[in-house]
Amino acid sequence: AQKVTQAQTEISVVEKEDVTLDCVYETRDTTYYLFWYKQPPSGELVFLIRRNSFDEQNEISGRYSWNFQKSTSSFNFTITASQVVDSAVYFCALRDANTGNQFYFGTGTSLTVIP
Amino acid sequence: DTEVTQTPKHLVMGMTNKKSLKCEQHMGHRAMYWYKQKAKKPPELMFVYSYEKLSINESVPSRFSPECPNSSLLNLHLHALQPEDSALYLCASSQTGAEVRNSPLHFGNGTRLTVT
Repeated sequence: AQKVTQAQTEISVVEKEDVTLDCVYETRDTTYYLFWYKQPPSGELVFLIRRNSFDEQNEISGRYSWNFQKSTSSFNFTITASQVVDSAVYFCALRDANTGNQFYFGTGTSLTVIP
Repeated sequence: DTEVTQTPKHLVMGMTNKKSLKCEQHMGHRAMYWYKQKAKKPPELMFVYSYEKLSINESVPSRFSPECPNSSLLNLHLHALQPEDSALYLCASSQTGAEVRNSPLHFGNGTRLTVT
């Protein structure tokens, strides 16, 4: 069965600190896709990044970076030099090749950046 | 600007009312979704339409009735709701098909529904 675990329910950091949000997934499929979404207080879920199971390259986009490790079934998200605008709930999600349009969401991590 | 548009942004309705939520996308996506989200919880899938046909119904009560008039539009008809149905209702779209399984969901801003 597919499952996504975000063990950190809430995290608070002081502005300019680095923070890593953890995501661990389970799937029996060899082909699958992982996503991160940001949900600010306004409510809209914003797509941040996708990663294919066959591409283990890590990615950096500005202050954001993602570390995908198949060996530990993890897809962690790091924000460098955090800012108040990063305060939001972050969701990790899994879509596999066999279950069509079904996306599996983690329970989310609420990040608060304190000025 | 979001490419998935939902109306209304806020809705307050009584338990005997009939109302509809509307969603529109012009990204050429052929899969459209309704999610329900309670505070501090992840989105919970309700329905999926693929090529305008209902492909997933996650055992949603019949007081919620989805409709997909064409590939760009998705409605959710509401009737005789309960106070516990108060939530954020999110519409999303994605590409569908084996060759685009890496397509993400694109969400609208949501409709914040309050049932009194």
